[in-house]
Amino acid sequence: AQSVAQPEDQVNVAEGNPLTVKCTYSVSGNPYLFWYVQYPNRGLQFLLKYITGDNLVKGSYGFEAEFNKSQTSFHLKKPSALVSDSALYFCAVRDLANTGNQFYFGTGTSLTVIP
Amino acid sequence: KAGVTQTPRYLIKTRGQQVTLSCSPISGHRSVSWYQQTPGQGLQFLFEYFSETQRNKGNFPGRFSGRQFSNSRSEMNVSTLELGDSALYLCASSLEGQVTTEAFFGQGTRLTVV
Repeated sequence: AQSVAQPEDQVNVAEGNPLTVKCTYSVSGNPYLFWYVQYPNRGLQFLLKYITGDNLVKGSYGFEAEFNKSQTSFHLKKPSALVSDSALYFCAVRDLANTGNQFYFGTGTSLTVIP
Repeated sequence: KAGVTQTPRYLIKTRGQQVTLSCSPISGHRSVSWYQQTPGQGLQFLFEYFSETQRNKGNFPGRFSGRQFSNSRSEMNVSTLELGDSALYLCASSLEGQVTTEAFFGQGTRLTVV
């Protein structure tokens, strides 16, 4: 079975400080990992994905994520947080071994960047 | 390029009624998926349509159904509405729906059942 865990419901960080939003996954095959962001009353916006290759993936708005196979993690990071980064962040996984191609989403992490 | 368009943005319905939501995918995209988002259950997959065929289905009762038209536009229908159906319904489109490709989401339809 496929699953994603986001252990922190809420993350607070001061503006200008580095931020990390944590994600761990469980799949039966090779994982395809995604990060999405959701602003209030909006849909999900794609940030980045890991399919294969380099473990450090760079995405939109200065975000990056590190794939760690041994720890089954895919943490989202940004070197310097902006107030405008405050939003709800979702990690998701897809798996070729799965019978379907749907996203399995984590429960989301609410990020607040404090001015 | 226009994004994914969902209509209407907001709906209020009464228990027992039925509702139809619409999704227009990005031009050229043939895969359309639907997700339900609630505070308690998070984001849950409803179904996926590709070339007018339902290719994948989540674990929802038969009251939830959908279809896709030849222009890839999709509709989902919920019959005999229950209070628990109140949610944000999100539509996502992608070129072929492959597991390695990202999907693009619409702004959603906020359904409130009273």
